Amino acid sequence: EPEVTQTPSHQVTQMGQEVILRCVPISNHLYFYWYRQILGQKVEFLVSFYNNEISEKSEIFDDQFSVERPDGSNFTLKIRSTKLEDSAMYFCASSDQETQYFGPGTRLLVL
Amino acid sequence: AQSVTQLGSHVSVSEGALVLLRCNYSSSVPPYLFWYVQYPNQGLQLLLKYTSAATLVKGINGFEAEFKKSETSFHLTKPSAHMSDAAEYFCAVTSLMDTGRRALTFGSGTRLQVQP
Repeated sequence: EPEVTQTPSHQVTQMGQEVILRCVPISNHLYFYWYRQILGQKVEFLVSFYNNEISEKSEIFDDQFSVERPDGSNFTLKIRSTKLEDSAMYFCASSDQETQYFGPGTRLLVL
Repeated sequence: AQSVTQLGSHVSVSEGALVLLRCNYSSSVPPYLFWYVQYPNQGLQLLLKYTSAATLVKGINGFEAEFKKSETSFHLTKPSAHMSDAAEYFCAVTSLMDTGRRALTFGSGTRLQVQP
């Protein structure tokens, strides 16, 4: 069964450093998303991407964040200058018309 | 705007007992509703979904949920709990009626404990 994959599974970085989180969506899906879950809190929407552009973003997704689909398979989330409060689990999802399927997540720890 | 309220951050049941996890939603347009399960240190797995077809939907692992528009509810049930059901459960809402609006809004989650 096709699934969404994410790399790395864990990343530790210093405050102010750039990180890139990678995702490989399900191959025939057209909609891609990033969500995050701060420890102990609810899952929060960050951004959605369709037809090679951002279709929707939340107030969390400020200028420090960017997304890209550099080739036909990868979907990346970049955080330019990480802050302590960026520590969270980051989930990628892709969808057909109705249902979003989630990857296993990348746990980001900013020190 | 859409929102989800999950009553009870923690629910504990005995093995073999009925599981009932509550979800109420708010949406100004017809909703699509989902239940996801998260096992420890894992991602979100789809349990079941309501997308405007049958109001009683069945999912994996014996779970089902009923969409009740009059009560704005989408409660998750399972007749008989199993130890392997211990996990965190998230209710989520979206609507495909709004052009481009596909982001899921999640509830705060309910942690299910199953006692032997």
